[in-house]
Amino acid sequence: KAGVTQTPRYLIKTRGQQVTLSCSPISGHRSVSWYQQTPGQGLQFLFEYFSETQRNKGNFPGRFSGRQFSNSRSEMNVSTLELGDSALYLCASSKMQGAIPLNTEAFFGQGTRLTVV
Amino acid sequence: LAKTTQPISMDSYEGQEVNITCSHNNIATNDYITWYQQFPSQGPRFIIQGYKTKVTNEVASLFIPADRKSSTLSLPRVSLSDTAVYYCLVGLLEGGKLIFGQGTELSVKP
Repeated sequence: KAGVTQTPRYLIKTRGQQVTLSCSPISGHRSVSWYQQTPGQGLQFLFEYFSETQRNKGNFPGRFSGRQFSNSRSEMNVSTLELGDSALYLCASSKMQGAIPLNTEAFFGQGTRLTVV
Repeated sequence: LAKTTQPISMDSYEGQEVNITCSHNNIATNDYITWYQQFPSQGPRFIIQGYKTKVTNEVASLFIPADRKSSTLSLPRVSLSDTAVYYCLVGLLEGGKLIFGQGTELSVKP
């Protein structure tokens, strides 16, 4: 079956602009999480959506937002881009059943490399 | 989620067995131990997961002692393509959140 698909793979934006990244989870997966990876901070959790609701949020400013659609596809948006937002943005999907955590694995996409100039 | 400690880097040669140990002294009763592998500019990939004793799959083995305060990922006969960062995670996938530490950068040389 198809894996997690993230688009676009690469983006170059200017400071002050906004950007929208897209993630299509594995079919049947209802949980979608977003992560930011930078050389200095490593992999950091941004937020998670399940059934179109944000259930969990990391410690990022309000410029970072997201949403999930009824088909479980998710988008994340970063407004007023800063140079420090340059990073690899990763999306992961998992087969969560309701609010009960399962001993399960997360499947990651290849990421979107965002460069802010 | 319990904090994990693992070596920052390791070197090995092709064909050798590599063992990466992770310490997790504060592991909770319900926590699982999970290892992910990440190549540059790609998302992490699930390798193996276990709760206690030993787990083996086609890629690796995971050894967990009785006190569960540490675990060892064993990669048999590594090749150049095993050069990657390996992350040890402890906990449950709650609310879609995984907490990654710094990982171990494994370099396999010919």
